[in-house]
Amino acid sequence: AQSVTQPDIHITVSEGASLELRCNYSYGATPYLFWYVQSPGQGLQLLLKYFSGDTLVQGIKGFEAEFKRSQSSFNLRKPSVHWSDAAEYFCAVGASRGSTLGRLYFGRGTQLTVWP
Amino acid sequence: DVKVTQSSRYLVKRTGEKVFLECVQDMDHENMFWYRQDPGLGLRLIYFSYDVKMKEKGDIPEGYSVSREKKERFSLILESASTNQTSMYLCASTPGGKWTGELFFGEGSRLTVL
Repeated sequence: AQSVTQPDIHITVSEGASLELRCNYSYGATPYLFWYVQSPGQGLQLLLKYFSGDTLVQGIKGFEAEFKRSQSSFNLRKPSVHWSDAAEYFCAVGASRGSTLGRLYFGRGTQLTVWP
Repeated sequence: DVKVTQSSRYLVKRTGEKVFLECVQDMDHENMFWYRQDPGLGLRLIYFSYDVKMKEKGDIPEGYSVSREKKERFSLILESASTNQTSMYLCASTPGGKWTGELFFGEGSRLTVL
């Protein structure tokens, strides 16, 4: 069965500190992997995605993520957090081919609080 | 700019009422999705559609139905609203064919059922 686990419900960091949000997935085939961000009162916005190739992917707003097949992980990182990064972050997995293309499975989300 | 519009940002309904949540996209996308978002549960797929008049059940379709009469519009229907359907509802769309991987989301409709 397809599933995504985000083990951290809430993370608090100081502005300027580094950040890592964890994501583990379970998927029967070669997955597409995503990180989305949701600011308060807003819909979700794509931060970055992994389809194939280089396992370290760069996204918007200075975020990056690394795909580790052996660990079934796709952790999100940022070297220096800004106060505007405070939001909820969702990891998601989807099919790389077939009839379910476009259908994503989301994790439960990690709420990020940034202290000034 | 890409736009997914959910007509109602906030709704308050009574138990047993019929509720319509409307979603319109202006990007000529083939695929449209309805997700439900609850704290601690993330997003769960209710229904999706890959074409006009076509629908597929997601993970939690019970108590919901959908309608897709035109390509740009995807409606979520609660035939008889219940308190456990109080939630945030998110509509999303994506183009068919070669998929870039991005879902385009609306801002959400927060429904309260009393």
